Amino acid sequence: EVQLVQSGAEVKKPGESLKISCEGFGYSFRNYWIAWVRQMPGKGLEWMGIIYPGDSDTRYSPSFQGQVTISADKSISTAYLQWSSLKASDTAMYYCARLLDYSTWVDVFDIWGQGTMVSVSS
Amino acid sequence: SSDLTQDPAVSVALGQTVRITCQGDNLRTYYASWYQQKPGQAPVVVIYGKNNRPSGIPDRFSGSRSGNTASLTITGAQAEDEADYYCNSRDSSGNRRWVFGGGTKLTVL
Repeated sequence: EVQLVQSGAEVKKPGESLKISCEGFGYSFRNYWIAWVRQMPGKGLEWMGIIYPGDSDTRYSPSFQGQVTISADKSISTAYLQWSSLKASDTAMYYCARLLDYSTWVDVFDIWGQGTMVSVSS
Repeated sequence: SSDLTQDPAVSVALGQTVRITCQGDNLRTYYASWYQQKPGQAPVVVIYGKNNRPSGIPDRFSGSRSGNTASLTITGAQAEDEADYYCNSRDSSGNRRWVFGGGTKLTVL
C-alpha cells in the first residue's frame, strides 16, 4: 500500500529547534516530489514548500522561505521539515503530501500523511 | 494572500446539487485539484485535472473549468459530503510552487 507516515505530535517551547519527518512506503520515494502543508488551528491549508528526494531540489512558498528548512534522505525514504527556533505562531498541524505529475498543466497531491501536530508554548 | 479565491461557506439541501468555485488567474493555465477535509482528518483528493476522480471517489463529484474559474460540483449531495473543500493549483509564477484556496465549508441541510 502506498502511504506516507509522519512522526508523532510534538510539544516544544519557543526558541527550541524541531525536525519532523515523513516516511514513504510502497513506491519509489526518490522519484516523486513531496510537499509540506501547514494548517493552523481552525484555519485553511497553506502550501509551504516541496522537495524532490532524488536530487534534493527544493522550492519554498515566499511566505515560508527562511522560516523553515525542507530536506530529504532518499536512502531511508524520508522527508523532513525543520525549524531552528520555534515561535508560538508555529503551532499547527503539518501534513506531507506526494505530488503526482501528469503533465505541465495537470498535477495532484494524491497521497497525504496523517499529519503531525506541533504545539509551541512557554 | 492566496492566488485562489473561494467562497468561505456554501450550503445545500440533502440530495440537491451544489457548485463550489475557485477563482484565480493561474487557473487559465493550470488545472485545479480539489481536496475534501473532514474534521480531524487529513485532506483527500476528490477531483484533479480536467475532470478526473481517484478510485473510490463517488461519481457525484465532478469538476470543470471556465476561464479563470474552476468548479467542483456535487450532484445529489449526501450528508457525508459535509466537509471543507480546498482548491489547489500551481501559483502564477508557474515555478513549481503551489497555492491553496482559502477553503469552502459545505453544509448539507
